[in-house]
Amino acid sequence: GAGVSQSPSNKVTEKGKDVELRCDPISGHTALYWYRQSLGQGLEFLIYFQGNSAPDKSGLPSDRFSAERTGGSVSTLTIQRTQQEDSAVYLCASTDLWGRGPNIQYFGAGTRLSVL
Amino acid sequence: AQKVTQAQTEISVVEKEDVTLDCVYETRDTTYYLFWYKQPPSGELVFLIRRNSFDEQNEISGRYSWNFQKSTSSFNFTITASQVVDSAVYFCALSGAGSYQLTFGKGTKLSVIP
Repeated sequence: GAGVSQSPSNKVTEKGKDVELRCDPISGHTALYWYRQSLGQGLEFLIYFQGNSAPDKSGLPSDRFSAERTGGSVSTLTIQRTQQEDSAVYLCASTDLWGRGPNIQYFGAGTRLSVL
Repeated sequence: AQKVTQAQTEISVVEKEDVTLDCVYETRDTTYYLFWYKQPPSGELVFLIRRNSFDEQNEISGRYSWNFQKSTSSFNFTITASQVVDSAVYFCALSGAGSYQLTFGKGTKLSVIP
């Protein structure tokens, strides 16, 4: 696609439910990143994929959070047993490592998660 | 550890005024990259500029200019003759060479009043 696509754009869920957030990166981008943006915390790195592998999951806040990437393309971030503190905007970015240079991350519009 | 500080939380200016957004960074890396992103109300972060640590030349792109000073670990962003469409949150970010993470500042919300 032309840009990074994230779905849904908004998600409202009840405390304790599981949610899945989807990211479709720019076609051909090998690296994919998840960030969380919450009030007062700014933008926090969650996880990074190179292909289908996640070399670094250290940013995931708890074991309720997991992510996978299949086919070197679409990624899903899953939050189990959601808590109110999980309410935030979850942003996905992808990188073309062989294009305009390293580390320019292109972002999607995010998924706004509200846990009631 | 890397750190980016954007001391200005919110700035309001009247249209056509010039405005400078401050960014101060900390890193132990000798090679690193600095970025500015714009986040309009739509939510998507828009890449504006990347600068590597070996290039201290200032850059101008239209009404935008960036001042990189290694001596003060600063990478400030100036908008000349601001417009209402410049209203957004602006983020400064840092990445080490070969690193996959961006370390972001907390952002500066710019409001341009007509």
